[in-house]
Amino acid sequence: GEDVEQSLFLSVREGDSSVINCTYTDSSSTYLYWYKQEPGAGLQLLTYIFSNMDMKQDQRLTVLLNKKDKHLSLRIADTQTGDSAIYFCAVYPPYNQGGKLIFGQGTELSVKP
Amino acid sequence: DTGVSQDPRHKITKRGQNVTFRCDPISEHNRLYWYRQTLGQGPEFLTYFQNEAQLEKSRLLSDRFSAERPKGSFSTLEIQRTEQGDSAMYLCASSNPDIPSGEQYFGPGTRLTVT
Repeated sequence: GEDVEQSLFLSVREGDSSVINCTYTDSSSTYLYWYKQEPGAGLQLLTYIFSNMDMKQDQRLTVLLNKKDKHLSLRIADTQTGDSAIYFCAVYPPYNQGGKLIFGQGTELSVKP
Repeated sequence: DTGVSQDPRHKITKRGQNVTFRCDPISEHNRLYWYRQTLGQGPEFLTYFQNEAQLEKSRLLSDRFSAERPKGSFSTLEIQRTEQGDSAMYLCASSNPDIPSGEQYFGPGTRLTVT
């Protein structure tokens, strides 16, 4: 089955750019998502990208997709302390009839003032 | 409609007791999902409904777990004879299958602690 991997921690200074990386195993995955989770809370959908796209930009967020390397990244420009959270990559595998998502283990982003 | 809601937000129970959680999805979403999240991990799929029909169950969903969505609106997840290993955050999500991107919107979760 599909496997999704993320690095566990990232620390940046306020105002810098953050880049969170994700790799997945099934190159036929159709949609790929980024979610944000703050302590004790549910998951907030940030953005998504369809597999026929290379890049998607949404305000401070830029998603890059390299299908050949099965690599997805989320860039946050001008990172703020309020961006400190855990970020999850999730994929929608092609064998998936019901739409269940496969999540990575999350990257904890720490933004230092 | 303000989003997916879950009740209760926290539940502490003794091992062996039964617990039930409720999820109210976004009103126009006819797909509803349950996930479980343990500390330091991403959510893992448990089961999902399309309207009132339960269409898929994960092997994580043991016989002690049962989920229902009797009228195709809210859903309940019951855990019988709870074990300490059931301690986790239980997340509910909903989606509209008519939207190709299929994005799922999550509720705040129910944190279960089994003592």
